[in-house]
Parts: sequence; C-alpha cells; structure tokens
Amino acid sequence: GAVVSQHPSWVICKSGTSVKIECRSLDFQATTMFWYRQFPKQSLMLMATSNEGSKATYEQGVEKDKFLINHASLTLSTLTVTSAHPEDSSFYICSARGTGTAWTDTQYFGPGTRLTVL
Amino acid sequence: RKEVEQDPGPFNVPEGATVAFNCTYSNSASQSFFWYRQDCRKEPKLLMSVYSSGNEDGRFTAQLNRASQYISLLIRDSKLSDSATYLCVVRPSGGTSYGKLTFGQGTILTVHP
Repeated sequence: GAVVSQHPSWVICKSGTSVKIECRSLDFQATTMFWYRQFPKQSLMLMATSNEGSKATYEQGVEKDKFLINHASLTLSTLTVTSAHPEDSSFYICSARGTGTAWTDTQYFGPGTRLTVL
Repeated sequence: RKEVEQDPGPFNVPEGATVAFNCTYSNSASQSFFWYRQDCRKEPKLLMSVYSSGNEDGRFTAQLNRASQYISLLIRDSKLSDSATYLCVVRPSGGTSYGKLTFGQGTILTVHP
C-alpha cells in the first residue's frame, strides 16, 4: 500500500524555538495532505488541509501564523511550529490523500512526530 | 455535542470474547464512514470502511444505520493482538469539507489471556 513518511519521528526542543516537521508521500503524488494533532488520551484533531501550490486551509482555532504549512511539491508538505511552547507538545500526524473520487479516495497516515517542548 | 461520539471504555475482555463498539455522528450529510485502529503511540490504521449494507472482514463486522446516525463494530473471537484503541471516523460530503476526516475520541480495548 501507499507509504507516507514523517521526519523527525520525535523531537525535543526548548521553549521559543521553531520546529519543522516533514511529511512525504513516498510512492504516490498527493495534491492534498492533512495535518492532525493528538494530545494524550484524546483523539486526532484536524489542524489544517494542505494543498499543493496554494495556501493551507486552517481549522477554526488553529493559528496560521504559529503553525506554518508549506506544500511545495506533490510529495512533500511541511509543518513548522513557530516559537514553540510547552502547550504545543503533542503528537503531530500527517495524512496524504491518494487519487480517487470524493467518495472513494483513501487517506494514508504518516507514523507521526512526537514533539516535546521544554 | 461532539460530531462523532464513542464510548471511551475501556473494554477489558478475555480472549475469545465477542465485543461491540458503538458510535454516533451528528452530521446527517456525512458520506463515508470508517473504523480505524490505533496502537499506543502509533498512527491510526484503517481497519475497515462501513457500508449501509453492513460488511464483514474476517472476525470484524461493521454496521451503519443512517436513519439513527449510528455505526457499530463487532469483533468476534477476540485475540490478544486486538488490544488497541478503535476510532470511529466520519467523512462529510464534498464541498469545503472534501476529504476531511472527523475522528471520535476512540474506544480502548484490552484483551487479556
């Protein structure tokens, strides 16, 4: 099946620094990628939808200036957490949508990136 | 009201038991439905899609009741390896919500010897 990778798999950083997370579709082109965040014992919450070549669409309550998304190619989307604070510590997961109709397309999830901000 | 609601459990069952999970969703325009499983500190993985006619995949049976906006997952002959969090996932119809998945909070299952 389709493979999506994320890098890094885990990162620890100091408060105030910026962290970039990469999401790559390894064997297919993904015009749309999604970024989720999951806090402990909670479910995945969609943060934003990333479309290749255009601006990302952010969900309500997600600060676009804090979570910068760039989808520069059909196989790569990046999420940059700017000026990270301890409350940004979370599990960040991306998914990439394969081709298909609106009813049959499948999302493939990356393995996630665990961010800890000290 | 949450868009997708699940009983968080946890469900603790012995090997060989049958266990059922329920899920309700609030958006009647939702188009596609799925069950995902998520192991601890891992990404969610698609278990099965859910169709109105009901569908079965080995020990797993999924049912959808659109009138009641209710989805279920039945696991028969539980195995130790079934221990995980099961996520009910709904995808709305097209338009601005195209492709977006809404996850329930998950139901924790622990299968013990």
